[in-house]
Amino acid sequence: QVQLQESGPGLVKPSETLSLTCTVSGGYMSSYSWGWSRQSPGKGLEWIGHISDTGGTSYNPSLESRVTISIDTSKNQFSLKLTSLTAADTAVYFCARAYGRSTDSWGQGILVTVSS
Amino acid sequence: DVVMTQSPLSLPVTLGQPASISCRSSQSLVYIDGNTDLTWFQQRPGQSPRRLIYKVSKRDSGVPDRFSGSGAGPDFTLKISRVEAEDVGIYYCMQAIQWPWTFGQGTKVEIK
Repeated sequence: QVQLQESGPGLVKPSETLSLTCTVSGGYMSSYSWGWSRQSPGKGLEWIGHISDTGGTSYNPSLESRVTISIDTSKNQFSLKLTSLTAADTAVYFCARAYGRSTDSWGQGILVTVSS
Repeated sequence: DVVMTQSPLSLPVTLGQPASISCRSSQSLVYIDGNTDLTWFQQRPGQSPRRLIYKVSKRDSGVPDRFSGSGAGPDFTLKISRVEAEDVGIYYCMQAIQWPWTFGQGTKVEIK
């Protein structure tokens, strides 16, 4: 059973960059895509984007100018960078595995608060 | 973006009774291969979303058979045949046919 675990800071200042890492265990990264979503009270669940095992990316147009997702299969990790943070980016961020046209496994989530 | 509209947003149910959640998509969810892709998630309090149903009606491994999905677009339904206490949580539908992937607002299931 694949497991995903997010790591990163819980508090980030406005205008700074958020960097999160997801560590995958119990399974291979090949043949899957790996993505990020977030959940805030005001906007519900939002799919941020994902990256294939070969590095191809898809980003939500609403965040595309600020998002970068990268992958390091040798470390069984993938990462999210979100720049120019505002209070509206405060949310629980989840990493997830995507396969076909669905997503089947999610990490436990990490609360990120944007505040000075 | 494809808008996924769920109803009701709040669903009080009696233990042992059935429950039904609707999800309507603003655009077709039929892929070029003819398959319809609609996913249902359960999010228990304090937990991350757990996939229950994919491709409209396929149940994930370990999901009790009291959960079933149906529909043919634009209307889809998640049914719980007999609600148990562990079913309390928020249920979401999701589409991954059109980019960006989008979720419904969520339906909160609680016990009366």
